[in-house]
Amino acid sequence: DSGVTQTPKHLITATGQRVTLRCSPRSGDLSVYWYQQSLDQGLQFLIQYYNGEERAKGNILERFSAQQFPDLHSELNLSSLELGDSALYFCASSPPGGAAYNEQFFGPGTRLTVL
Amino acid sequence: EDKVVQSPLSLVVHEGDTVTLNCSYEVTNFRSLLWYKQEKKAPTFLFMLTSSGIEKKSGRLSSILDKKELFSILNITATQTGDSAVYLCAVKDDKIIFGKGTRLHILP
Repeated sequence: DSGVTQTPKHLITATGQRVTLRCSPRSGDLSVYWYQQSLDQGLQFLIQYYNGEERAKGNILERFSAQQFPDLHSELNLSSLELGDSALYFCASSPPGGAAYNEQFFGPGTRLTVL
Repeated sequence: EDKVVQSPLSLVVHEGDTVTLNCSYEVTNFRSLLWYKQEKKAPTFLFMLTSSGIEKKSGRLSSILDKKELFSILNITATQTGDSAVYLCAVKDDKIIFGKGTRLHILP
């Protein structure tokens, strides 16, 4: 158990819908990262937040957005869902003080299925 | 374009064998390289490498980075069935780029 929690564990929804994935980082960690993992694309970095501020952006679609709240939990919002958005979404956190050089601790993931 | 390439894509060996997994990269502003093990759940951290030529070791696993030739290797000696997993390499510059992984299967 990494100490990073994600909810829900599984999510099944229809095309065109909107969902929110939630992540709570490890106690004391200020950075939160979101990843998408699909069979054909591997693990893709989406976005990073540090202490409430967006720090780095990867391959995140415009239909997706994220935020980190004052209590440091983060939410990833996916809208106008398409079949291709079906994937495992991971959240990871890392300790403060030079996030570029710190390891990341991954949560258990949320499996999203879009029908 | 920044990229991380892992090889081989898949590897099947017998228990007790030694394996070497490769990771090469091209990124704009290298900061660190990380190795992860992923079984049927979330990736778990193995190593972080920032300096060339310094071997990191943990039990039967070891890794080294060559920043001149832009690659890293992960060695696993005396493999066990519990080593069966996907091994992921990631490089941090201004963002994080993962390779597609090497799927390792250890036969008893």
